Amino acid sequence: SQTIHQWPATLVQPVGSPLSLECTVEGTSNPNLYWYRQAAGRGLQLLFYSVGIGQISSEVPQNLSASRPQDRQFILSSKKLLLSDSGFYLCAWDKGQSNQPQHFGDGTRLSIL
Amino acid sequence: SQQGEEDPQALSIQEGENATMNCSYKTSINNLQWYRQNSGRGLVHLILIRSNEREKHSGRLRVTLDTSKKSSSLLITASRAADTASYFCATGYGNKLVFGAGTILRVKS
Repeated sequence: SQTIHQWPATLVQPVGSPLSLECTVEGTSNPNLYWYRQAAGRGLQLLFYSVGIGQISSEVPQNLSASRPQDRQFILSSKKLLLSDSGFYLCAWDKGQSNQPQHFGDGTRLSIL
Repeated sequence: SQQGEEDPQALSIQEGENATMNCSYKTSINNLQWYRQNSGRGLVHLILIRSNEREKHSGRLRVTLDTSKKSSSLLITASRAADTASYFCATGYGNKLVFGAGTILRVKS
């Protein structure tokens, strides 16, 4: 069966520090991968998605970047965090075919001080 | 901008009652999906309904889709305390989903 791992679960970082969040998927190959951010009490905002290794699409201009160095690994990064980067970050995958559900990790709660 | 808009924003019911949540959207879609989120956790997929389908069932869940009105509803029958969570609709376009702000459901025992 397929599983998705996201870490760390919580992270407290000072303003201006770098960021690296990692997401890996097991049990499937060539998935579509997604990074979302969820503000408190709100829905999910799509940040990045990837249909293959090295292929990244950015949905909103921001202080963050994403990379996909391996088929089942998706990394969210920042060189210098801002206060506004605080939030709940979720990674998800799907099979890359039409009309497929997405499957989510348990998220990372990021607090910027 | 968010495509789906859920209604109501919050719903409180007694165990055993039915819960109905509604979702409206603005443009043509490939599919509409419903997800559940327990506090502080990731989202769990509940049901996907394609644009050419009108109704789907899964256990105690019933989803309807009216593309002429650009709306969908999620019905949870015989609710349980464990159904307490946030419920999100998401409209599917190609590779992407656009999520609404969600309905917070509280089921009192």
